[in-house]
Amino acid sequence: DQQVKQNSPSLSVQEGRISILNCDYTNSMFDYFLWYKKYPAEGPTFLISISSIKDKNEDGRFTVFLNKSAKHLSLHIVPSQPGDSAVYFCAAEAMDSNYQLIWGAGTKLIIKP
Amino acid sequence: IAGITQAPTSQILAAGRRMTLRCTQDMRHNAMYWYRQDLGLGLRLIHYSNTAGTTGKGEVPDGYSVSRANTDDFPLTLASAVPSQTSVYFCASSTGANNEQFFGPGTRLTVL
Repeated sequence: DQQVKQNSPSLSVQEGRISILNCDYTNSMFDYFLWYKKYPAEGPTFLISISSIKDKNEDGRFTVFLNKSAKHLSLHIVPSQPGDSAVYFCAAEAMDSNYQLIWGAGTKLIIKP
Repeated sequence: IAGITQAPTSQILAAGRRMTLRCTQDMRHNAMYWYRQDLGLGLRLIHYSNTAGTTGKGEVPDGYSVSRANTDDFPLTLASAVPSQTSVYFCASSTGANNEQFFGPGTRLTVL
């Protein structure tokens, strides 16, 4: 059973509009969440993170929202740019987990010109 | 250039053969990880090491072994490869704090 779920395998957004990527989790012990971005033939790169004591974290065009009661987080990218086309992974870390991350399956974001 | 290197970039391997995937980092990170990425499953942790001299099992350790003789190197060995080990393998490292992991470029392994 997947503890971190990204239910949308792909998402297509017009350039300049907002991209919203969603992630749901089931383990209430998760206390830290991260988003990674991955281009083809490269390893994932860290994008933004949020601690469970916060409900929002912003870094430039990227904002992550956390709704603990719903066990849901989302990544907002605004405005979307062509270089944002990539696969986005949501990952979660549980308390006392030796820093191990549990990963979602990823969402492929396509930014249309 | 600081970062993580992996070798080989890709490999086709006959079933039953032994294979070692190499991973080296020069950031002096304590923690290192091996993942496999399969379509629709995201990244799954195979083995990890929190510091040189220690290793631990991840989510899918069967058929794989690792060693961490020093801080920089973290090789992954498939003792007797099977077709289900066909995957893309990523090595990563982190300081541990906030778990921002830095990834290598990956090794694409095909077992026939």
